[in-house]
Amino acid sequence: NAGVTQTPKFRVLKTGQSMTLLCAQDMNHEYMYWYRQDPGMGLRLIHYSVGEGTTAKGEVPDGYNVSRLKKQNFLLGLESAAPSQTSVYFCASSYHSDTQYFGPGTRLTVL
Amino acid sequence: AQSVTQLGSHVSVSEGALVLLRCNYSSSVPPYLFWYVQYPNQGLQLLLKYTSAATLVKGINGFEAEFKKSETSFHLTKPSAHMSDAAEYFCAVSDRGKVGGANSKLTFGKGITLSVRP
Repeated sequence: NAGVTQTPKFRVLKTGQSMTLLCAQDMNHEYMYWYRQDPGMGLRLIHYSVGEGTTAKGEVPDGYNVSRLKKQNFLLGLESAAPSQTSVYFCASSYHSDTQYFGPGTRLTVL
Repeated sequence: AQSVTQLGSHVSVSEGALVLLRCNYSSSVPPYLFWYVQYPNQGLQLLLKYTSAATLVKGINGFEAEFKKSETSFHLTKPSAHMSDAAEYFCAVSDRGKVGGANSKLTFGKGITLSVRP
């Protein structure tokens, strides 16, 4: 099992550019999450999904969109990147409200 | 609403000394509680979790934590620190949301960086 994988690992964008981060899990988990991690802020939930075709807003959803077209994939999109979105992004998945399993992260810099 | 407080951002101990990382939580219902560890440039890894069975929970790498409802605490301890324990540690709370419910998610503390001195 690969667990939770994230693509890409690193990315540098210019302000206004768009990109999509891909998260994939092979544990057949229903729930998937996107977090951002900033120094001194812990992890903050951006969006989450409790099943294929469903998404919901988390704590800091502005400037991001998500889609869960397949159970194993959860995509995070930035339509018009801003410097404030420079962060490390983590995807996680879980079986309902139990343990969340995290991917290795994507380090995004927006210039 | 649920919340987690991790006092202090940095703890430094000598190798072989006791490790104590504090976590206090707030939840309107009996919680699930978790400790995660993050090594540099890696994702988060589960250390241990409390899900209403035994109040003293043992995890990986010699860590354990005790759930104290009266103190709303879930402090993490290890009797003897090792250099390899240097990492960032996160406490998290889940209020056991129902399937599809709005609260089916974790709330994390801000994290504590543990340094271990030779």
